[in-house]
Amino acid sequence: GAGVSQTPSNKVTEKGKYVELRCDPISGHTALYWYRQSLGQGPEFLIYFQGTGAADDSGLPNDRFFAVRPEGSVSTLKIQRTERGDSAVYLCASSLTSGPGQPQHFGDGTRLSIL
Amino acid sequence: EDQVTQSPEALRLQEGESSSLNCSYTVSGLRGLFWYRQDPGKGPEFLFTLYSAGEEKEKERLKATLTKKESFLHITAPKPEDSATYLCAVHNSGNEKLTFGTGTRLTIIP
Repeated sequence: GAGVSQTPSNKVTEKGKYVELRCDPISGHTALYWYRQSLGQGPEFLIYFQGTGAADDSGLPNDRFFAVRPEGSVSTLKIQRTERGDSAVYLCASSLTSGPGQPQHFGDGTRLSIL
Repeated sequence: EDQVTQSPEALRLQEGESSSLNCSYTVSGLRGLFWYRQDPGKGPEFLFTLYSAGEEKEKERLKATLTKKESFLHITAPKPEDSATYLCAVHNSGNEKLTFGTGTRLTIIP
């Protein structure tokens, strides 16, 4: 079946601009996660949704970052007033449910470059 | 705070030369330890979940083992297509996030 889909695959924008990154999870998966990965590092947690609600947003670096999942499926990560330090690969993952040992399945990410 | 340390950072092996990758962890209440494979330009691909010390899981040329402080990913008679970055992550009892290590970049030379 289809995996996690992320669009766009690449995004280049200027410092100060607003960007939206989209994630389509695996059909039927109730839990959705956003991570950020810098070169040579492992993914770093940003936010977790169970259904429509953000159950844990402790990884969001500041209030320029916001994410929504209005119908419990597709999610959008929004970044305002982008800075060069926001450049990274933004990964989305989904799992069938939350809970012990549930594997998270990742998309191929959006590579964001802030000029 | 959860911590995951992977070693070595990079490993080059000849085709057929077996070896092991290490993942040391500190976590408050382990709910699961995960191994992922990541190819360049791709997202992490799930390999294994281990839940408790003594557990082992195998898939083709890979075997993952778990103790109370570390996990090993053993690769037996590797092939060039096994070249990738291997990531280890832990899931603790207090939240739903995964905490990842920085990975081991494995290169298998034909």
